[in-house]
Amino acid sequence: DSGVTQTPKHLITATGQRVTLRCSPRSGDLSVYWYQQSLDQGLQFLIHYYNGEERAKGNILERFSAQQFPDLHSELNLSSLELGDSALYFCASSEAVDYGYTFGSGTRLTVV
Amino acid sequence: AQKVTQAQTEISVVEKEDVTLDCVYETRDTTYYLFWYKQPPSGELVFLIRRNSFDEQNEISGRYSWNFQKSTSSFNFTITASQVVDSAVYFCALSERKAAGNKLTFGGGTRVLVKP
Repeated sequence: DSGVTQTPKHLITATGQRVTLRCSPRSGDLSVYWYQQSLDQGLQFLIHYYNGEERAKGNILERFSAQQFPDLHSELNLSSLELGDSALYFCASSEAVDYGYTFGSGTRLTVV
Repeated sequence: AQKVTQAQTEISVVEKEDVTLDCVYETRDTTYYLFWYKQPPSGELVFLIRRNSFDEQNEISGRYSWNFQKSTSSFNFTITASQVVDSAVYFCALSERKAAGNKLTFGGGTRVLVKP
């Protein structure tokens, strides 16, 4: 167990729907990062939150949004889902870059 | 912009052979961090090593060793006496130290298949 908890582990939904992925960071970590792993794009950075504030954005679609709550857990919201959004979504947490990143086990999203 | 290149997409070896995975990176920062992660068939990302840009010492951990050379912007990974359990996808990644956020940039990964 890495200490980073992601739920659900698997999600199957239809095109056009909206889903929410949840991430609880490792105890003490203030930073949460979201990554998308797809077959054609590899591992892509989506967004970084630090202590509730958005710090950096990657190639995140406008249909996607995220937030980090006061208890430091984070949610990634994906809306108007398309077949191409099917991917493995990882959350990672970090105390500071010097200490590296710990990844959760991922949420596998399948859009049908 | 930072970039990580893993030129080898797939390597197949027979058990007990050594295998070296190449990683070349690009960054304009003088302070940065390099990582290797393992992704077994189960899908999770397992941390293997972190190196900062000021520490060029090679490292050995069991059957794993890493060769960091700033002069060639490379951070190569060797598995000695490979085992079937080493079969996985291995990712090299780079993080720059920025106040605004320290995202990881991953290479495309190298799939290692160790045959018995």
